[in-house]
Amino acid sequence: AQSVTQPDIHITVSEGASLELRCNYSYGATPYLFWYVQSPGQGLQLLLKYFSGDTLVQGIKGFEAEFKRSQSSFNLRKPSVHWSDAAEYFCAVGTRGGATNKLIFGTGTLLAVQP
Amino acid sequence: DGGITQSPKYLFRKEGQNVTLSCEQNLNHDAMYWYRQDPGQGLRLIYYSQIVNDFQKGDIAEGYSVSREKKESFPLTVTSAQKNPTAFYLCASTLSGTRNTIYFGEGSWLTVV
Repeated sequence: AQSVTQPDIHITVSEGASLELRCNYSYGATPYLFWYVQSPGQGLQLLLKYFSGDTLVQGIKGFEAEFKRSQSSFNLRKPSVHWSDAAEYFCAVGTRGGATNKLIFGTGTLLAVQP
Repeated sequence: DGGITQSPKYLFRKEGQNVTLSCEQNLNHDAMYWYRQDPGQGLRLIYYSQIVNDFQKGDIAEGYSVSREKKESFPLTVTSAQKNPTAFYLCASTLSGTRNTIYFGEGSWLTVV
C-alpha cells in the first residue's frame, strides 16, 4: 500500500540555520511527490513538486528537495531558515487513479524557529 | 480573484445533527476533493470527484456524503453517523491530468458540542 512517513513530528532550529525535513514514501511506480506548507488554521500551500527529470527540485520561498529513488526519500531543505518559515510541513505522494491524482499525506512536521 | 472558497470557517454542531460544509471554486477545475485533518494524523481523504455527477469514496468516507451537481461546487455533509466529527476540513481541486497541482481552500473548523 502507498504511504508516506515523516519521522520527525517536531523540529526546532535557530533563525539562519540550515533545515532538512525528512520524507520517505512507499509506492510501487515512479512517484509524483509534493511538499506543502500550512500556517496555523490555514489551508495548504504548495512549496514544490517532483514528477520526473532532474531529481533536485527548486520551490518557492528558497526551499528545495531532492528525490532519491534508492532511498525512497524526498527530503526538503533550506540553507537559511527565517522566522516566517515556522509552520507545519507535509510531504505527499500522488497516487494515479483515473484522470487525476489523489494525494496521500504524511503526518506532518511542525517547525519552530528560535530567534 | 480565482480560488477555492470554503464556508463557514467555523461551525458548531450539536450531536445528532447533520451539517453541510460548502466548497466553491472558480478555477474551472475538473476534480475536487475533501480531506479531514486531525492533529498528528495528517490529512485523510474523505471523498473525491473527477467529473460532475460522479464521485468516489476515499479512505474515511463513513458518516459523510457529497454531491457534485455543478462543476464549481462540491458540498460535504457530515451526518450524525460520523462518530467523531470534530476536525478541520479541507477542500481541494485540480485540473484533469496527473501532472497538475492540487490546490487547497482555507479550511473549515467543525466542532461538535
